[in-house]
Amino acid sequence: ETGVTQTPRHLVMGMTNKKSLKCEQHLGHNAMYWYKQSAKKPLELMFVYNFKEQTENNSVPSRFSPECPNSSHLFLHLHTLQPEDSALYLCASSQEGAGGPDGELFFGEGSRLTVL
Amino acid sequence: AQRVTQPEKLLSVFKGAPVELKCNYSYSGSPELFWYVQYSRQRLQLLLRHISRESIKGFTADLNKGETSFHLKKPFAQEEDSAMYYCALSVNTDKLIFGTGTRLQVFP
Repeated sequence: ETGVTQTPRHLVMGMTNKKSLKCEQHLGHNAMYWYKQSAKKPLELMFVYNFKEQTENNSVPSRFSPECPNSSHLFLHLHTLQPEDSALYLCASSQEGAGGPDGELFFGEGSRLTVL
Repeated sequence: AQRVTQPEKLLSVFKGAPVELKCNYSYSGSPELFWYVQYSRQRLQLLLRHISRESIKGFTADLNKGETSFHLKKPFAQEEDSAMYYCALSVNTDKLIFGTGTRLQVFP
């Protein structure tokens, strides 16, 4: 596998379930990101990790818990979610911070989450 | 507050027609702007960055600080240009803020 891989691609869960989304990048990048993509809303940045350290938490509810065990892996742990959390969750990575002129984000295909 | 606005949800043109996808931003710092594209059944990917002043697939975008705009243009649209286009603004050094996106449909 090359690039950014996300699993599962689709997930249906009840409000009392606990599940996790996984992201893996094979690009040797130092930064990883979680974005949320909802219908009719812009891509919302959730979390940023640089060299495994969380550098951004964009006021995300605590029912979303990120974990970055190493520079290649990023998890999003989910529990007691609400139906409005249903969305496409995108993982991305970059060699350097996304603000630099060469700071290109490489995205995964996303995990489509449905909360019943 | 930092914000990216793409006023058009959908832009439909015929093949060979000029295309302009609008993007306006709000940011007090020195802006770094990007256009990302998502073709059908493909992942979101970088199209071009303003700092490079490059033309990719015939698309160009010029940063206009006076109008706080970064519109994406192409003189002659092709059917394969049909996709979702997102304008993005970098804030500080570690995050991108995206607009809501514009769907471009190019008819034959």
